[in-house]
Amino acid sequence: EAGVTQFPSHSVIEKGQTVTLRCDPISGHDNLYWYRRVMGKEIKFLLHFVKESKQDESGMPNNRFLAERTGGTYSTLKVQPAELEDSGVYFCASSQGRGPYEQYFGPGTRLTVT
Amino acid sequence: AQSVTQLGSHVSVSEGALVLLRCNYSSSVPPYLFWYVQYPNQGLQLLLKYTSAATLVKGINGFEAEFKKSETSFHLTKPSAHMSDAAEYFCAVTDTGRRALTFGSGTRLQVQP
Repeated sequence: EAGVTQFPSHSVIEKGQTVTLRCDPISGHDNLYWYRRVMGKEIKFLLHFVKESKQDESGMPNNRFLAERTGGTYSTLKVQPAELEDSGVYFCASSQGRGPYEQYFGPGTRLTVT
Repeated sequence: AQSVTQLGSHVSVSEGALVLLRCNYSSSVPPYLFWYVQYPNQGLQLLLKYTSAATLVKGINGFEAEFKKSETSFHLTKPSAHMSDAAEYFCAVTDTGRRALTFGSGTRLQVQP
């Protein structure tokens, strides 16, 4: 069974540019999460999809971040325009069911904004 | 709001020595608690989880953790460290109301030969 995959693994962009991160969850997992770790800080929750619907987006930092989940499958996280403070590692995770089930994490996308 | 405190951003032990990584949480409701590990260039992997069953939880790779409600702690232990245990470890909490994990700041474990 394939795990959670993320693309790209690394991205370096200039301030003001746009970047789109992609996450493919484990097949059959209805729940998809985005997290971010800024250097030196803890991993912080961004948002949670159940199928194609946003269940909880309380962690989204501002309206420069837009997350979508097409057809309840893969998800994209767009940052437009990127700022220096957006640099960090963006993790995607997925889980099945409605209980406190294990979240399976992808390897992350390291975003550097210069 | 929930919070998780991991004491010690870096812990160094000798190979064969006891590993003890500390985690304290604050939660107003009975929590679900997790320990994750991140090896270099990999995603987070679940080591173990507490979901209100047995207070002593055994995980993968010989790790275990004990839930102590009176101390609001969920420390991670392993009797004998291996070189392959060198990684960053994260304690996380959630409750029945939300799915989002709240993480501690992580503890990087170094194992000396």
